[in-house]
Amino acid sequence: SQQGEEDPQALSIQEGENATMNCSYKTSINNLQWYRQNSGRGLVHLILIRSNEREKHSGRLRVTLDTSKKSSSLLITASRAADTASYFCATDGGNDMRFGAGTRLTVKP
Amino acid sequence: NAGVTQTPKFQVLKTGQSMTLQCAQDMNHEYMSWYRQDPGMGLRLIHYSVGAGITDQGEVPNGYNVSRSTTEDFPLRLLSAAPSQTSVYFCASSYSGRAANEQFFGPGTRLTVL
Repeated sequence: SQQGEEDPQALSIQEGENATMNCSYKTSINNLQWYRQNSGRGLVHLILIRSNEREKHSGRLRVTLDTSKKSSSLLITASRAADTASYFCATDGGNDMRFGAGTRLTVKP
Repeated sequence: NAGVTQTPKFQVLKTGQSMTLQCAQDMNHEYMSWYRQDPGMGLRLIHYSVGAGITDQGEVPNGYNVSRSTTEDFPLRLLSAAPSQTSVYFCASSYSGRAANEQFFGPGTRLTVL
């Protein structure tokens, strides 16, 4: 079964707005990663946050991790039409990674 | 570097046929894995390998075989295709021998089993 669960399943915003996606997971993790998938393409790694980190930034991306609540959030600031994609969280279960079902983000120009 | 390459891009099989999905990487990565992606299901791990000669089962291994004779290649074999194996298959690799690193994904193989 999937480890991470993203919320919401779908999100539609206007260009320039911020987008926030959440991920909840069930068991202890070593790290949590976020990936982006454009339609019909493979996944692209965005950011990795380790279990002893609380927040991480990369360009317009901000990821937080709350291990006590077993949750993470991905914030994309000043969104662009090119950010339209599906976003997945993935948790490290040792030798394998478990992905959630994803959040489908649509950014309208 | 070509990164992770997968062939074919598309494939249609009849029930009971067998085939091999090819995956290769030129980054000297130790860890390689196969996932399938079904609508609304995210990615589910089929098999993975932490190095040449070492493979292990993931979440949904039934109906699939893998081998890892070289660092570069990690083929996935469907032994007797079934309609339930209709899916998009992704191969991925990462630097170290564990999944706890950034994974690089191939472009995927879209498989339809009739």
